[in-house]
Amino acid sequence: DIQMTQSPSSLSASVGDTVTITCRASQGIGNDLGWYQQKPGKAPKRLIYAASGLQSGVPSRFSGSGSGTEFTLTISSLQPEDFATYYCLQHNSYPWTFGQGTKVEIK
Amino acid sequence: EVQLVESGGGLVQPGGSLRLSCAASGFTFSTYWMYWVRQAPGKGLVWVSHINRDGSSTSYADSVKGRFTTSRDNAKNTLYLQMNSLRPDDTALYYCARGLGATSGEGDYWGQGTLVTVSS
Repeated sequence: DIQMTQSPSSLSASVGDTVTITCRASQGIGNDLGWYQQKPGKAPKRLIYAASGLQSGVPSRFSGSGSGTEFTLTISSLQPEDFATYYCLQHNSYPWTFGQGTKVEIK
Repeated sequence: EVQLVESGGGLVQPGGSLRLSCAASGFTFSTYWMYWVRQAPGKGLVWVSHINRDGSSTSYADSVKGRFTTSRDNAKNTLYLQMNSLRPDDTALYYCARGLGATSGEGDYWGQGTLVTVSS
């Protein structure tokens, strides 16, 4: 099974900051990775598909990069509505696996 | 409008069984692969299962393999998760979802979740 190691598990940042979240796969997954945002009490929502594709309607301050085993989600100029938990999901081979999550909190 | 509505959750004793349902509307259900994802209280997301369009192919997380079975009834636009031999660590909010493995800009859709509590 492919393990996804996500870091950090949490971070504190201020409005306007740039934050970076990383997911490492235990083996190569090409670009078969998505990034999801989840707010308390809500279902997740995908921000990035295929490692770097911006989902329609998602602000351009969100960007994804990487391929193979290392992937990054970057949020530029953090906004108040971006404080949430973020997850990566590999869909290269079954069983699919989520990263452990990164909680982005207000400093 | 795409809608996914889960039902069937509740309190069950360890070793018991439960069947979750996910009623789909607003799209042609039979043309989409479907998924189950769960989230224990205060914990992260866990992918549970997938099923292909006609139900002929499924896969499962190691933690539920042999105990859970995913099926679908395309005539009723409904996805199911049969859960047997339930354990306390199966306690979670269970979501059904569409479009999780998209390689294009196709959107993802999730239900509101149904809570399963396994406790004596």
